[in-house]
Amino acid sequence: EAGVAQSPRYKIIEKRQSVAFWCNPISGHATLYWYQQILGQGPKLLIQFQNNGVVDDSQLPKDRFSAERLKGVDSTLKIQPAKLEDSAVYLCASSSRTAGELFFGEGSRLTVL
Amino acid sequence: QQQVKQSPQSLIVQKGGISIINCAYENTAFDYFPWYQQFPGKGPALLIAIRPDVSEKKEGRFTISFNKSAKQFSLHIMDSQPGDSATYFCAASIKQGAQKLVFGQGTRLTINP
Repeated sequence: EAGVAQSPRYKIIEKRQSVAFWCNPISGHATLYWYQQILGQGPKLLIQFQNNGVVDDSQLPKDRFSAERLKGVDSTLKIQPAKLEDSAVYLCASSSRTAGELFFGEGSRLTVL
Repeated sequence: QQQVKQSPQSLIVQKGGISIINCAYENTAFDYFPWYQQFPGKGPALLIAIRPDVSEKKEGRFTISFNKSAKQFSLHIMDSQPGDSATYFCAASIKQGAQKLVFGQGTRLTINP
């Protein structure tokens, strides 16, 4: 069974530029999550989707972050404009049901200069 | 306050020894307590999890001890091996409806051969 796929693995941008990350969850997994992991800290939930609807986006900085999950499969997380403090690994995870085990991708490492 | 505090930040153990990582939580509504293992460049992977209706859960060399009255839980790794060297995160969530994991800060474990 293929795992959660994420791209790109690494991205370096200047502050105020924009960036987008893509996630393809495990086939059949209805629930998808985006987490932000700052160096030396635990992951922090940004947004949770159930199929293509948002379940929780209370910790998403909506003035600069946006996410969508078209057709309830792939998802894209966008940051515009990026700030220095957005430097982190962005982890995508999926689960087969709302309260099921989370399977994480390898993450997308963002460096904002 | 939805916080999970983890200690120590880093831990060095000799091969064959016991590794112990501790976590404390504040929200008494938490009812699911997983531990995740993360290797460099990889996403976190579920290691073992416990619910508050039991005081201990063992899977192979890994044991979770849970103290509901003290709001604390810990991970014990018996017969620690160099392959166990990784960062470990405790987490907690309210597993009713949306699963919103709150992670600890992480413990970098090094097992010396």
